[in-house]
Amino acid sequence: KNQVEQSPQSLIILEGKNCTLQCNYTVSPFSNLRWYKQDTGRGPVSLTIMTFSENTKSNGRYTATLDADTKQSSLHITASQLSDSASYICVVSANTNAGKSTFGDGTTLTVKP
Amino acid sequence: DAMVIQNPRYQVTQFGKPVTLSCSQTLNHNVMYWYQQKSSQAPKLLFHYYDKDFNNEADTPDNFQSRRPNTSFCFLDIRSPGLGDAAMYLCATSRGLAGGAYEQFFGPGTRLTVL
Repeated sequence: KNQVEQSPQSLIILEGKNCTLQCNYTVSPFSNLRWYKQDTGRGPVSLTIMTFSENTKSNGRYTATLDADTKQSSLHITASQLSDSASYICVVSANTNAGKSTFGDGTTLTVKP
Repeated sequence: DAMVIQNPRYQVTQFGKPVTLSCSQTLNHNVMYWYQQKSSQAPKLLFHYYDKDFNNEADTPDNFQSRRPNTSFCFLDIRSPGLGDAAMYLCATSRGLAGGAYEQFFGPGTRLTVL
């Protein structure tokens, strides 16, 4: 069964600090992995999309890494800001005709002043 | 400019009273999705359209139906809402299916309350 597990479930950090969120998956055959940011009460917003051949991708202060061999990804947030407080969701899609996506349960990040 | 628009943002309905949620897009994308998201949970795919081709998830209740009259619009109909259907409903679009690494663009969601 395709699964995506994210850790930690929640995280509290001080403004200005860095943090790293983890995503492990069992989706196969692998097509791509996406990280989304979802503010409370809003729809998810795409941060990065990575395919098999990519092992790192940045979007401003967000840097995602992918290790397709160990089926792990991380999202690193640098110099956190209060506006980074949100849920971060990892989504992995299979390389099939239907291209099914499996969502992780997300990591809730709280940035405190 | 909003690219995926959902109306209304908040919907209150009574137990058993049919309700329709609306989604429109300005991206001219082929694929439109409907997700249900309950508090502190990941979005759960209900169904998607690739153009006019409708794809229902196996575990989507019969109570949920969808219509896509044209490229821009997609509707979610809940025929007899139950208390367990209270959730955020998210519409998303993409140029192609998820297996092709196409970015999904989500709307702001409709928060459904069932009394």
